[in-house]
Amino acid sequence: DQQVKQNSPSLSVQEGRISILNCDYTNSMFDYFLWYKKYPAEGPTFLISISSIKDKNEDGRFTVFLNKSAKHLSLHIVPSQPGDSAVYFCAASVGDEKLTFGTGTRLTIIP
Amino acid sequence: EAEVAQSPRYKITEKSQAVAFWCDPISGHATLYWYRQILGQGPELLVQFQDESVVDDSQLPKDRFSAERLKGVDSTLKIQPAELGDSAMYLCASSPLAGVVSETQYFGPGTRLLVL
Repeated sequence: DQQVKQNSPSLSVQEGRISILNCDYTNSMFDYFLWYKKYPAEGPTFLISISSIKDKNEDGRFTVFLNKSAKHLSLHIVPSQPGDSAVYFCAASVGDEKLTFGTGTRLTIIP
Repeated sequence: EAEVAQSPRYKITEKSQAVAFWCDPISGHATLYWYRQILGQGPELLVQFQDESVVDDSQLPKDRFSAERLKGVDSTLKIQPAELGDSAMYLCASSPLAGVVSETQYFGPGTRLLVL
């Protein structure tokens, strides 16, 4: 049972435009959500997170939105840059329990 | 900048052979995690250590997988015997904090295993 889903395996965006990556979850007990970024031949690196008590968290060009009623979160990258090309994973946890990862979305920024 | 080290980076083995992966976490990090990432999927936690003690190994296939962190520093993950379905990326992560304070997990580059 896939509790965290990223339905778009890939996404291509023009440089300078907005990239929107989506993630859906089924477990209503999840209360902490994260986005990780992964370059080839490297491990995932933490990007941004959001607690379930918030609906938005912003860090520079990156903003995560959480819609608890829809069990949906999204990552917005504005403006998109070539260095943003990577695989993005969303992940969720219940309190201090283990992370459950989505399947990832490969983002390609077109110069 | 301190990093999580893993070796080997790539491993090709034949079915039924034994394989072992090594992880050296960031110095001072008490918590160590082993994840398995099958192609096209997200990482899945196999085992979590707090110092030398196992905190969670509920997803570790214990009939063939074993993990140890004898002195609470580096760790070894072993598979014996390897099966075709074990082909995956094995990621190690460490955290300075107890429990899963998620954003503080630092991942190594992984070991890519191919079982023939």
